[in-house]
Amino acid sequence: DTAVSQTPKYLVTQMGNDKSIKCEQNLGHDTMYWYKQDSKKFLKIMFSYNNKELIINETVPNRFSPKSPDKAHLNLHINSLELGDSAVYFCASSTIYGYTFGSGTRLTVV
Amino acid sequence: SQQGEEDPQALSIQEGENATMNCSYKTSINNLQWYRQNSGRGLVHLILIRSNEREKHSGRLRVTLDTSKKSSSLLITASRAADTASYFCATELSGNEKLTFGTGTRLTIIP
Repeated sequence: DTAVSQTPKYLVTQMGNDKSIKCEQNLGHDTMYWYKQDSKKFLKIMFSYNNKELIINETVPNRFSPKSPDKAHLNLHINSLELGDSAVYFCASSTIYGYTFGSGTRLTVV
Repeated sequence: SQQGEEDPQALSIQEGENATMNCSYKTSINNLQWYRQNSGRGLVHLILIRSNEREKHSGRLRVTLDTSKKSSSLLITASRAADTASYFCATELSGNEKLTFGTGTRLTIIP
């Protein structure tokens, strides 16, 4: 299946821990993104990468570090997790015709 | 800040009726896109309409764009229970490759 796949689907962790979310797309898209959806359903871009290069960093705390080993993968590492990081994180990739989103990772920090 | 504001925030209609959702935005755009999000799921791309287009259709979906008013509408005709979801508009600004989302409309279709 052609898709954007992200893992894990659910992540529950304690404050202060470091965690990673992985994302892979097999659509051949050049551009990939991380979006955050908060408890009020607001979706906001965090990062975008084009062909492994960082294009957009939307004033995200530097505890969040994206890594793109190749254009099909964009992983998100979060250090020193805080309660406010609890949200659903979506990976996406795009062409000029639109975006394809992963199914999301629900992160709960306790 | 959110680029788009959607109206209404929530909408409940009987199955078979038409549903109309509106989106307003603030700046010039390259295109506007509509997405559906079922509860607890990811976003599904519905339609992309470019700034030089005024109307687009896809199945039971009809999208209009009025760049002079900086607004768009999504019409779902002959609604079905499976259309129950949140619907988001999102804009892509000229020369800027990112989507800025609206606040969403929660649509409930009553069987």
